[in-house]
Amino acid sequence: SQQGEEDPQALSIQEGENATMNCSYKTSINNLQWYRQNSGRGLVHLILIRSNEREKHSGRLRVTLDTSKKSSSLLITASRAADTASYFCAPANRDDKIIFGKGTRLHILP
Amino acid sequence: KAGVTQTPRYLIKTRGQQVTLSCSPISGHRSVSWYQQTPGQGLQFLFEYFSETQRNKGNFPGRFSGRQFSNSRSEMNVSTLELGDSALYLCASGMGLEFYEQYFGPGTRLTVT
Repeated sequence: SQQGEEDPQALSIQEGENATMNCSYKTSINNLQWYRQNSGRGLVHLILIRSNEREKHSGRLRVTLDTSKKSSSLLITASRAADTASYFCAPANRDDKIIFGKGTRLHILP
Repeated sequence: KAGVTQTPRYLIKTRGQQVTLSCSPISGHRSVSWYQQTPGQGLQFLFEYFSETQRNKGNFPGRFSGRQFSNSRSEMNVSTLELGDSALYLCASGMGLEFYEQYFGPGTRLTVT
């Protein structure tokens, strides 16, 4: 199992701007997932990208994966107040436990 | 489809007591994972159960244990509670197969006094 490391730790942007957060990991993976957590609540699965995929979209979310650099990025376009949350990446392998890092705290300013 | 449910939602216990938390996964899911979340340590993996067997385990002392029933419902138990066990305990269910995502419950907020 391995833990992803999100960067930056915290990010504040104006509503309407795009938010980008990054994730790095250490060993090869089968897939990588991104989750969101609103304050004090359970995590919500956002998107899963497989190791043989380079980019994936879901609504205003765009995720990229570069297995050669062992990194992924999550882009949220046209941010909204409701996007204020912590975002976690989870690099994963088959049957292996999913470990979460410290996350990126995103704050959308009005 | 009903989501993951956790009971109770809030709990206050005293040091030295034990506690049992319950998690009902989404129907059809065979995997249940438990996490502890604290401000200082973040989200830490406790264990995962798949088809009634513990498949993965985190680095927690033996006071933390769990089990899964034939209907995939899971319980975790913490014995001899310590102040440091105060946390949000999250459970997540999934298909448990390759490329599966996890669906989280709202959590149980445990306070140990």
